[in-house]
Amino acid sequence: GESVGLHLPTLSVQEGDNSIINCAYSNSASDYFIWYKQESGKGPQFIIDIRSNMDKRQGQRVTVLLNKTVKHLSLQIAATQPGDSAVYFCAENGEAAGNKLTFGGGTRVLVKP
Amino acid sequence: ETGVTQTPRHLVMGMTNKKSLKCEQHLGHNAMYWYKQSAKKPLELMFVYNFKEQTENNSVPSRFSPECPNSSHLFLHLHTLQPEDSALYLCASSPDYRDGWSPLHFGNGTRLTVT
Repeated sequence: GESVGLHLPTLSVQEGDNSIINCAYSNSASDYFIWYKQESGKGPQFIIDIRSNMDKRQGQRVTVLLNKTVKHLSLQIAATQPGDSAVYFCAENGEAAGNKLTFGGGTRVLVKP
Repeated sequence: ETGVTQTPRHLVMGMTNKKSLKCEQHLGHNAMYWYKQSAKKPLELMFVYNFKEQTENNSVPSRFSPECPNSSHLFLHLHTLQPEDSALYLCASSPDYRDGWSPLHFGNGTRLTVT
């Protein structure tokens, strides 16, 4: 059939449960990673970032984990709330000089009441 | 309330029209970016300005023409667009393009429809 757009993986989660969103990156030279949240009708909103010299960083209700060995990034959201429903993007910067982010395709999170 | 404001929020234009998108940031940043977000691709970088100087043009067709009169304002001039240019155009800013460890701050975008 005809492709009508990016196929976004969807994560359905019960309100109050923890969510885990995964991202695989391809550039082994990437040394800075960011998670963004995009709600309908809005631009991407910064959630949390991590540098390659760390493997874990915590924010308010969110934790980012970085596994450089397998080039994997994850975002954990604790006690997911209805307001967490959005599309989540990971981004990486693999440029030696310059802030040139490469974005993933995104994951849609749907929080069920 | 975002520190990056884009206008208009929605724009419908014919293929022969000329229009401009505007972006203004109130964050004191010196780098400004245009990204394209379409239904079929991940976010794509179009242009970067750092301290008013263009530092990146990501092979964007000449029907898109950016302008950065100062570090707070960024424009995207549109001319003779194609229907496939219909997308959400996002503006972003950061303190300095040379700092590769700063997140970008995005506006809410202009939804462009080319008829």
